[in-house]
Amino acid sequence: SQQGEEDPQALSIQEGENATMNCSYKTSINNLQWYRQNSGRGLVHLILIRSNEREKHSGRLRVTLDTSKKSSSLLITASRAADTASYFCATAPISSGSARQLTFGSGTQLTVLP
Amino acid sequence: ETGVTQSPTHLIKTRGQQVTLRCSSQSGHNTVSWYQQALGQGPQFIFQYYREEENGRGNFPPRFSGLQFPNYSSELNVNALELDDSALYLCASSPFGASHSPYNEQFFGPGTRLTVL
Repeated sequence: SQQGEEDPQALSIQEGENATMNCSYKTSINNLQWYRQNSGRGLVHLILIRSNEREKHSGRLRVTLDTSKKSSSLLITASRAADTASYFCATAPISSGSARQLTFGSGTQLTVLP
Repeated sequence: ETGVTQSPTHLIKTRGQQVTLRCSSQSGHNTVSWYQQALGQGPQFIFQYYREEENGRGNFPPRFSGLQFPNYSSELNVNALELDDSALYLCASSPFGASHSPYNEQFFGPGTRLTVL
């Protein structure tokens, strides 16, 4: 089952605009990660934010985490056509007794139009 | 490129058959996880191997089994294939040990696309 749910499911913007994707999750987490997937290929790690962090930046990416609301957002600034891909949030459980897995959401399909 | 390789790239099988998928982890990584990704969905965790032993399992039936070898490469075996097993199978490696959290980023291979007819 999917722990995280991304919103929106699909997003279409013009090149140069900002793209914001949201993720909600259900259980307590050690960290939350964002991954990108180009059509039908492997996932690429973008950024990891730990449960005691509220905001993190990496290049054109900005991630926020609100553990009280169990939600995260990914902002891509000044988008490019090459940013077109599916974006997934993934949560890592807090308990060492849990299976050592990442639980992925269902993803947001981002299309950046040139 | 992450350095994680998977073979084969594509595979077509018929219902009831058995399949073996292979994964070579990134150099220095001793943990391998397998995920199933159905079309239009996020990856779902199948299981993880650390030092040749299963280190956690998701909600998949026993006909999904795995192995990890001393060089940390891994196999995923699926018996009695069903139509719903059609998916992209992803392997991911990561370092694990006293100085590494098992929850850090994972490095994914390009996947094996399995079609069951």
